[in-house]
Amino acid sequence: AAGVIQSPRHLIKEKRETATLKCYPIPRHDTVYWYQQGPGQDPQFLISFYEKMQSDKGSIPDRFSAQQFSDYHSELNMSSLELGDSALYFCASSSPSGGVVDTQYFGPGTRLTVL
Amino acid sequence: DQQVKQNSPSLSVQEGRISILNCDYTNSMFDYFLWYKKYPAEGPTFLISISSIKDKNEDGRFTVFLNKSAKHLSLHIVPSQPGDSAVYFCAVGETSGSRLTFGEGTQLTVNP
Repeated sequence: AAGVIQSPRHLIKEKRETATLKCYPIPRHDTVYWYQQGPGQDPQFLISFYEKMQSDKGSIPDRFSAQQFSDYHSELNMSSLELGDSALYFCASSSPSGGVVDTQYFGPGTRLTVL
Repeated sequence: DQQVKQNSPSLSVQEGRISILNCDYTNSMFDYFLWYKKYPAEGPTFLISISSIKDKNEDGRFTVFLNKSAKHLSLHIVPSQPGDSAVYFCAVGETSGSRLTFGEGTQLTVNP
């Protein structure tokens, strides 16, 4: 079965540079979520989109922005990168199940290293 | 403040025995509960979920129990297998499809 695709898998940037992370959800999934996992930490919610509209916003820095496109893929844009932005960035997707729990399925993540 | 806590950072069990992973939460608004397994350098893999209208959900070797009054859930794996060795996260949400809040994770090691 098709899974969530994230690119790139690894990214190395210098301080103050910009980065763009891409996420391709599971086909027919209309909701995308972004999470950040720092070293030794649990994943923290950043932002989510439903049907191309922002649906929820968490602890996402103002330096970051994101959007969901007409084909439902999403991009997380990160500017003025700081050392503390080094982390694993996960994308997840879901669709209304008509059941009880809309399961979020996660991609493999993008490891961002800021030097 | 940590709204979701997994108080055991690690757990070691013998192959074939039962593994019990625990999770406590503080916000009574949480109504949806999921367990994920995570290997290094991979994304979390969904295992099993439960909503607050139930107190038990079973899928093969995995069973999740929810005690809403105690704000506690647990994951039982029986029989445990060496391939189950991974970090297990509980994750909770207020509504179906809402953001997830994760616990700190428990490293499970199943010894042959």
